[in-house]
Amino acid sequence: GDSVTQTEGLVTLTKGLPVMLNCTYQTTYSPFLFWYVQHLNEAPKLLLKSSTDNKRTEHQGFYATLHKSSSSFHLQKSSVQLSDSALYFCALSDRGYAQGLTFGLGTRVSVFP
Amino acid sequence: GPKVLQIPSHQIIDMGQMVTLNCDPVSNHLYFYWYKQILGQQMEFLVNFYNGKVMEKSKLFKDQFSVERPDGSYFTLKIQPTALEDSAVYFCASSLPDWGNYAEQFFGPGTRLTVL
Repeated sequence: GDSVTQTEGLVTLTKGLPVMLNCTYQTTYSPFLFWYVQHLNEAPKLLLKSSTDNKRTEHQGFYATLHKSSSSFHLQKSSVQLSDSALYFCALSDRGYAQGLTFGLGTRVSVFP
Repeated sequence: GPKVLQIPSHQIIDMGQMVTLNCDPVSNHLYFYWYKQILGQQMEFLVNFYNGKVMEKSKLFKDQFSVERPDGSYFTLKIQPTALEDSAVYFCASSLPDWGNYAEQFFGPGTRLTVL
């Protein structure tokens, strides 16, 4: 079956530094990849999505590129802010349409002044 | 933006009792989902629901689980009877139909269920 791997459980960094969160996936179908962000005591919210190979997608300063050749969809930001402290989930759909998502374990990002 | 509400935020019950988790989805959405997240593990899909029917369910969706949305009210997940392994955070989500493309799933903040 489908699977998503996020290698970092916790990332701590100082405000203004760049960050990259790793996400790799496995599926035998055509993938839709997502990044969700969950701030403390809030609902997970969609941050980015992509199903197009080698095309960069951006939102709120975050960006990611789906690379089907390496089965990856890493999340990056060039300069983190204190408000970026949150839990980030990578998720996969192999059909896109109204399907249950397969999630990774999540990466907690803590940004310090 | 659109919000999904979940009631209650926290529920504590004794093993063997019945529990109903309530979800108030985004008003014009037609697809509904439940996910389960055990502490320290990833969020896992349980079931999705459309037009009064279960469309797809995972192996985690045990016989003791049921879902419904009577007359456009809350979308509910009922567990009867509960077991210790049902302790988890349950997330509800909803989406529009978007044939041929991906329709964003909007999530609620979760209900933490503790079974004693």
